[in-house]
Amino acid sequence: IAGITQAPTSQILAAGRRMTLRCTQDMRHNAMYWYRQDLGLGLRLIHYSNTAGTTGKGEVPDGYSVSRANTDDFPLTLASAVPSQTSVYFCASSDSQDAPGGYTFGSGTRLTVV
Amino acid sequence: GQNIDQPTEMTATEGAIVQINCTYQTSGFNGLFWYQQHAGEAPTFLSYNVLDGLEEKGRFSSFLSRSKGYSYLLLKELQMKDSASYLCAVVDSNYQLIWGAGTKLIIKP
Repeated sequence: IAGITQAPTSQILAAGRRMTLRCTQDMRHNAMYWYRQDLGLGLRLIHYSNTAGTTGKGEVPDGYSVSRANTDDFPLTLASAVPSQTSVYFCASSDSQDAPGGYTFGSGTRLTVV
Repeated sequence: GQNIDQPTEMTATEGAIVQINCTYQTSGFNGLFWYQQHAGEAPTFLSYNVLDGLEEKGRFSSFLSRSKGYSYLLLKELQMKDSASYLCAVVDSNYQLIWGAGTKLIIKP
């Protein structure tokens, strides 16, 4: 099934631990994105990648890092988790920056940092 | 700063029509999206407007006025399954998506 796969679906993580959220797409989209969604706030961009080998910082990048070694994979790493990183994380992709066809989202990762 | 405003919550009756408004102030404009998000699920694409006017797609229509920084999503013949949050997002001059907080639509029988 074409789309985006995120793993894990949910996770409870101790503060200070390192965690990598996985994201894989099979649509050969050039651009990929990581968002966090918190109650009462809009989706906020953490990091993005316009094409394999390049990444950029979004609105809320602190405490997160990404890599884009190939077209399909875009993992998000929390180096040392803090409770404020408790959120729902969505990975998304699009075929171009100005994607009139819209962005495709993964099903999300619910992360709780305790 | 950049800002997208939508009502937090709206209630409508099954079979009726509802209009969800979105106003925006962004650095540049390269298009506006509407997404639907059911509770606990990922957002799904509904519509894209880049030129002024109305785009109709079945029961859903989206309108854009760039001069007014305004858009609306019109849902007709409401069904219970339309209960969801509706997210407005604008593509700015750097081709970044700026998201509104979403409008939670509650449909009553």
